[in-house]
Amino acid sequence: ETGVTQSPTHLIKTRGQQVTLRCSSQSGHNTVSWYQQALGQGPQFIFQYYREEENGRGNFPPRFSGLQFPNYSSELNVNALELDDSALYLCASSLDSVNEKLFFGSGTQLSVL
Amino acid sequence: GESVGLHLPTLSVQEGDNSIINCAYSNSASDYFIWYKQESGKGPQFIIDIRSNMDKRQGQRVTVLLNKTVKHLSLQIAATQPGDSAVYLCAENPSDGATNKLIFGTGTLLAVQP
Repeated sequence: ETGVTQSPTHLIKTRGQQVTLRCSSQSGHNTVSWYQQALGQGPQFIFQYYREEENGRGNFPPRFSGLQFPNYSSELNVNALELDDSALYLCASSLDSVNEKLFFGSGTQLSVL
Repeated sequence: GESVGLHLPTLSVQEGDNSIINCAYSNSASDYFIWYKQESGKGPQFIIDIRSNMDKRQGQRVTVLLNKTVKHLSLQIAATQPGDSAVYLCAENPSDGATNKLIFGTGTLLAVQP
């Protein structure tokens, strides 16, 4: 167990809807990253939050957004859901923001119908 | 029809044998590399890491080798056990100076036959 917890574990939405996924980081970790993992693929970096600010972003459209709270927990929001958004969404926490080991949660499996 | 990406490279080994999983990385500037194990329905679990100033690093039953000349990374698992069956993901940190961003490979499925 990494100490990183995500909720919910599974979610089913329809196209056009909005979704919020939640993550609690490991104790002592101040940085949270989000990844999208499509079936049969490796995880892809969405963005990273450090001290409540987004400080790095991958190749994802603006309808993917996030928040980090003072206790370092985080949310991933996706608006206007598309079928291709169906994936496993992984949250990872780390001790600091650069060149640190990532500890992953078990993920939220999102299905968009 | 088939979907691209569903057919992971697969390594099938007998219990007790040694396993070697290979990975090619893309960015010459990457200076930090990690191997993760991912079991079905779970998130990636850290196995071992190596920084670019090293060629080899050993853990418990695992060894990571780094060849920067050909941008190649390998994971060796000694005395492979059925519990080692999983997808193994290699990841590189492209050293953007601002984040812990990792670039992952597709993964290799390790199947251990009892």
